[in-house]
Amino acid sequence: QITLRESGPTLVKPTQTLTLTCTFSGFSLSTSGVGVGWVRQPPGKALEWLALLYWDDDKRYSPSLKSRLTITKDSSKNQVVLTMTNMDPVDTATYFCVHRGAGTYYYYMDVWGKGTTVTVSS
Amino acid sequence: NFMLTQPHSVSESPGKTVTISCTRSSGSIASNYVQWYQQRPGSSPTTVIYEDNQRPSGVPDRFSGSIDSSSNSASLTISGLKIEDEADYYCQSYDTSSQVFGGGTKLTVL
Repeated sequence: QITLRESGPTLVKPTQTLTLTCTFSGFSLSTSGVGVGWVRQPPGKALEWLALLYWDDDKRYSPSLKSRLTITKDSSKNQVVLTMTNMDPVDTATYFCVHRGAGTYYYYMDVWGKGTTVTVSS
Repeated sequence: NFMLTQPHSVSESPGKTVTISCTRSSGSIASNYVQWYQQRPGSSPTTVIYEDNQRPSGVPDRFSGSIDSSSNSASLTISGLKIEDEADYYCQSYDTSSQVFGGGTKLTVL
């Protein structure tokens, strides 16, 4: 059974850097095709993809946020870490960790964590 | 990059059928698979359709997906609507560098 759990601060101040950790189990990030990503959702708004880290350490970022994001992995701890710099109140959102797994023909974001809520306020 | 456009909201009565559209702004809808996610209030999204028309185990066959190249859009159809289907639904696709979500559709079953 695949599980993902997000952790990190619930409150950050404007201009600070946010660091979120996704701790996962039930799969290996070294398996071909597998990935772990991040998606956020501001209150009452739509889902927004942020970043995706692939099994081969390839990384993809949202074009609109690329300059602020870094995604890394710690394979020994089964963790993926997302950092977002220069936080602003508009970054207030629930941040979800997601697993990219095999479908019938390709791969897709199939399992989601419960999410962690981050508020940006002074 | 491309965008996925969904209607903001749809409503239908229990037992009826509803279809939610998702239109891709550029590039062919058929070039990359489309997924559909259901999100109930206070919960994480769950997959109801993946790879255009595949249903994960546990998702009832009342849920179906399709794509239409002529309108460059994907559709999620829910038949035999139940009160429990009331939720937000998001389409999602990708290209070589990005994952993209639609703006979401609020389904009201009344």
